[in-house]
Amino acid sequence: EAQVTQNPRYLITVTGKKLTVTCSQNMNHEYMSWYRQDPGLGLRQIYYSMNVEVTDKGDVPEGYKVSRKEKRNFPLILESPSPNQTSLYFCASSSMPAYEQYFGPGTRLTVT
Amino acid sequence: GNSVTQMEGPVTLSEEAFLTINCTYTATGYPSLFWYVQYPGEGLQLLLKATKADDKGSNKGFEATYRKETTSFHLEKGSVQVSDSAVYFCALSSFNKFYFGSGTKLNVKP
Repeated sequence: EAQVTQNPRYLITVTGKKLTVTCSQNMNHEYMSWYRQDPGLGLRQIYYSMNVEVTDKGDVPEGYKVSRKEKRNFPLILESPSPNQTSLYFCASSSMPAYEQYFGPGTRLTVT
Repeated sequence: GNSVTQMEGPVTLSEEAFLTINCTYTATGYPSLFWYVQYPGEGLQLLLKATKADDKGSNKGFEATYRKETTSFHLEKGSVQVSDSAVYFCALSSFNKFYFGSGTKLNVKP
């Protein structure tokens, strides 16, 4: 089954404790992206990747890191989380940027 | 810069009513335009898309036309069903980046 998986689905952590949210896709897609969803703001793009070892900033990259060492995986790293990063995070992939994006189920992160 | 503005919700309709959700955009270059739908507790799913001016995207009875002169991509459906209740997002893609509107929640009552 074609899918995008994210782990964990729910995470509660404390300020400053490094964390990683994993994202994996099984569709051999080249384009992958991370978004955060906040009430009234819709989805905002954090980082995207056009291919292995090629990443670039989206609209709200501050406080986040990503890596793309393998085509299927695109982890999101928060090295020192802060409460304003409490949000719902989605990973997505597509064969090309202008094509259909397939979204993961989301990760709800709470930083206290 | 690039941005998407869509009408605020929630929108509440009776079953079989006509639906319009307005979406306007600001973009550099020649963006592709999308409508995505999000059901409770799930990720987004593509509903329809249009890649150039005057293109009409359609799916499951929904349709939207890419209007460059008015920078709009309004979503319409002739007869909504209870199962259409969800949050709808307008989005654009330009130079490999994506921009989403704030979402419009649709409630359809039997």
